[in-house]
Amino acid sequence: DSGVTQTPKHLITATGQRVTLRCSPRSGDLSVYWYQQSLDQGLQFLIQYYNGEERAKGNILERFSAQQFPDLHSELNLSSLELGDSALYFCASNPGLAGGQDTQYFGPGTRLTVL
Amino acid sequence: AQRVTQPEKLLSVFKGAPVELKCNYSYSGSPELFWYVQYSRQRLQLLLRHISRESIKGFTADLNKGETSFHLKKPFAQEEDSAMYYCALSRGGGFKTIFGAGTRLFVKA
Repeated sequence: DSGVTQTPKHLITATGQRVTLRCSPRSGDLSVYWYQQSLDQGLQFLIQYYNGEERAKGNILERFSAQQFPDLHSELNLSSLELGDSALYFCASNPGLAGGQDTQYFGPGTRLTVL
Repeated sequence: AQRVTQPEKLLSVFKGAPVELKCNYSYSGSPELFWYVQYSRQRLQLLLRHISRESIKGFTADLNKGETSFHLKKPFAQEEDSAMYYCALSRGGGFKTIFGAGTRLFVKA
C-alpha cells in the first residue's frame, strides 16, 4: 500500500454539475499531482502542488481547479461537467524535493461518470 | 518540449516468449526515465527507474541517449505480466512527470 488515499472511489453525476475529488498524500510527502486517465488519452497530467502552492500545470481545463491545504491534502474541483469528463482521476504524491527521487506514489483513483 | 512516445497501444505475446515494450522520448537535458505498471484492479506503481539500473520481476530497461529510447524488456513473458505499462519522464528536482499513452501487454497461455 503506497499510503495515498483518494475519496470517493466512484462518483456518478449529471452534466452541468460540480464535484470535488479529495486526495491525501503519503505521510511526509509535500507534492501532490493530479492525473486524468481515459481510454483514448492515456494518463494526462493535470496539475501539481508543492507545499500548498501550484508548481506545474498540464492539460487542465479552465472548468477544473485544484488546491492543496495546510495539512497537505488536495482537492480537485470539476465544474460544468461534460460527458467527456468521465474518466479515472488519479492523485500521486512524492517528497517533491530538489535532488530527491521523483518516483510517484499513486492513489487508487476516483472513477467519475458523467451522465 | 518534453514528450514520451509509446508506439504500441497493445502488445500480445505468448507465455515464454520475449517481450519488448518500446518507449522513445524527447527532452533536451538529462531526464530521469521510469516504467510504471498497472495490474488489473490495482493502482499504478513504479516498476523500475533507469537510475537504479535494476531488474524487477525479470524486466530490464536501458537508457539509450543516442536513440532517446528506454525500451522495457523481459526474456520470458509470464501470464502475470499482463498489465498496462507506462513509460514516464521527469526532469528531476521534484517537478512534473510526463507519461506516455501506455501499452497494454497481454500474455497468452
